[in-house]
Amino acid sequence: AQSVTQLGSHVSVSEGALVLLRCNYSSSVPPYLFWYVQYPNQGLQLLLKYTTGATLVKGINGFEAEFKKSETSFHLTKPSAHMSDAAEYFCAVSDRAGSSNTGKLIFGQGTTLQVKP
Amino acid sequence: AAGVIQSPRHLIKEKRETATLKCYPIPRHDTVYWYQQGPGQDPQFLISFYEKMQSDKGSIPDRFSAQQFSDYHSELNMSSLELGDSALYFCASSQAQGIYSYEQYFGPGTRLTVT
Repeated sequence: AQSVTQLGSHVSVSEGALVLLRCNYSSSVPPYLFWYVQYPNQGLQLLLKYTTGATLVKGINGFEAEFKKSETSFHLTKPSAHMSDAAEYFCAVSDRAGSSNTGKLIFGQGTTLQVKP
Repeated sequence: AAGVIQSPRHLIKEKRETATLKCYPIPRHDTVYWYQQGPGQDPQFLISFYEKMQSDKGSIPDRFSAQQFSDYHSELNMSSLELGDSALYFCASSQAQGIYSYEQYFGPGTRLTVT
């Protein structure tokens, strides 16, 4: 079974500083990994995903993430934080084991990113 | 671009009442997922449909049922509502095949409040 652990429920950075949100996964099969962002009272917006191929994936709004199989990690980074990045971020792994391939998402607990002026 | 549509956006019900939530997926998406997000929690998978057939089932109470119709829209029916059912309910859609498979797009959610 798949699972996701996000280290740090709250992360605070200054505007212009590096953003690093940590995500570790557990999966018995090669995983599909995702990062979603949720602004208050809104739905989840896909930031980026990893399926196969290049392990460094780039997403929207300047975010990127690197899949590291040896560390079972998929950390999200952004070189320079902007005030508009303040939101809740969820890491997720897709359930695509074997022939079932239903694709349901298992989410981490979420990390609230605060950006200070 | 068309997005996932959910209705209603807000719903207030009393205990023991019933509620029906609707989801209209992105055109040409054949898979629909339902998730429940309680206050301050991560979304939890409830149920999914592929080509109008139930494809997977998560932690969905027996009081809840869902289906996907011939036009691919889906409805989540909730009966005997309890206070603990108050949550944000998301629908997501995706294509099961192709290079964008399993890339789920979420609707804005339906906020259900049970009083």
